[in-house]
Amino acid sequence: GENVEQHPSTLSVQEGDSAVIKCTYSDSASNYFPWYKQELGKGPQLIIDIRSNVGEKKDQRIAVTLNKTAKHFSLHITETQPEDSAVYFCAAWEEEYGNKLVFGAGTILRVKS
Amino acid sequence: DTGVSQNPRHKITKRGQNVTFRCDPISEHNRLYWYRQTLGQGPEFLTYFQNEAQLEKSRLLSDRFSAERPKGSFSTLEIQRTEQGDSAMYLCASSLGPAEEAFFGQGTRLTVV
Repeated sequence: GENVEQHPSTLSVQEGDSAVIKCTYSDSASNYFPWYKQELGKGPQLIIDIRSNVGEKKDQRIAVTLNKTAKHFSLHITETQPEDSAVYFCAAWEEEYGNKLVFGAGTILRVKS
Repeated sequence: DTGVSQNPRHKITKRGQNVTFRCDPISEHNRLYWYRQTLGQGPEFLTYFQNEAQLEKSRLLSDRFSAERPKGSFSTLEIQRTEQGDSAMYLCASSLGPAEEAFFGQGTRLTVV
């Protein structure tokens, strides 16, 4: 089945700097890749997603890039703010062995002011 | 639309007791997923429903776990004879269909003592 690896596990940046989180996936049939933000004690919140027919997608300070050949995708946050501090999860839609999202282990992002 | 709602938010139970959680998905969402999340990990898939039909169950879902979605609306997840290893956050998500945006509830945090 699908396997998603996420790096780094923790990331500290200065307020205003950029943050990049990278994920790789194993199932070449996967075609949908969302990113979630999870704050303490809350459920994951969808922040951006990308489909396999697109190489990049932007939404204000957040962007996601996808390289299907290399089977990796990345989340880019520019001009980071303290409220961006949270745990971020990437996920890939597993098509071949079941219809579900498979998640990475998460990245703890700390934005220092 | 109030989003995905889960109840209760917290549950503390003694080992060996049965517990039941409820999930109310976003109306008109046909897909409903249950995930489990332990500290420092990403959500792990448990099971999903397409309308009222339960179409896939993870190997994580032992025979002590049962889920239902009568009439394709709300869903319940029951754990019988709880064990300490069942302590986790149980998350519910819903989507319009496969590989569509999945929205999570706030989760039910289960503590087995």
